[in-house]
Amino acid sequence: GAVVSQHPSRVICKSGTSVKIECRSLDFQATTMFWYRQFPKQSLMLMATSNEGSKATYEQGVEKDKFLINHASLTLSTLTVTSAHPEDSSFYICSASKRTSSVTGELFFGEGSRLTVL
Amino acid sequence: TQLLEQSPQFLSIQEGENLTVYCNSSSVFSSLQWYRQEPGEGPVLLVTVVTGGEVKKLKRLTFQFGDARKDSSLHITAAQTGDTGLYLCAEFTHSGAGSYQLTFGKGTKLSVIP
Repeated sequence: GAVVSQHPSRVICKSGTSVKIECRSLDFQATTMFWYRQFPKQSLMLMATSNEGSKATYEQGVEKDKFLINHASLTLSTLTVTSAHPEDSSFYICSASKRTSSVTGELFFGEGSRLTVL
Repeated sequence: TQLLEQSPQFLSIQEGENLTVYCNSSSVFSSLQWYRQEPGEGPVLLVTVVTGGEVKKLKRLTFQFGDARKDSSLHITAAQTGDTGLYLCAEFTHSGAGSYQLTFGKGTKLSVIP
């Protein structure tokens, strides 16, 4: 199988602090990683797409200076929520693709990270 | 990016009943995926449909892709409490220059009551 792990699964922080969420592909090399945000009772909204070694591509309306994405290796991408505010509280989910994903359409999702900003 | 409409938005049924949820678009899907997501977890892929008219079965779940590839349905027979969750359809699209993405519908939240 292809396992994607996120850490931390839950994080609570104070307003104004920064929080880093990690997304790791445990048993495969992830050429591309995607970051999604999900508000309660809503669907997943794509925030950004990141390819290893290059800058992330952000979706319209997503502040790149607010949500810093780093994809430094083929097995790790990080999302840093800078100067977090209560409205940033959400469920953040990453997914990763293999080299064959462009053909198979198969992406592998992490377990998600629940961020609560007080 | 096209808009994926899912219906119903919420569905609450008794255990043992049958149900169908729908995913529609005004444009043709390149390929469509169905996911189930439980609270506090990431979505889990159930099936991918590609060919118009395609029908796939996964135990008590039957997935159908419309002939025109603009709609899809998920039918669950004899629902169980373990089927409770958020059912999401998603379109996999290539956006040029070797890049691609997955776009999700708003989902159908299913509650199966014992």
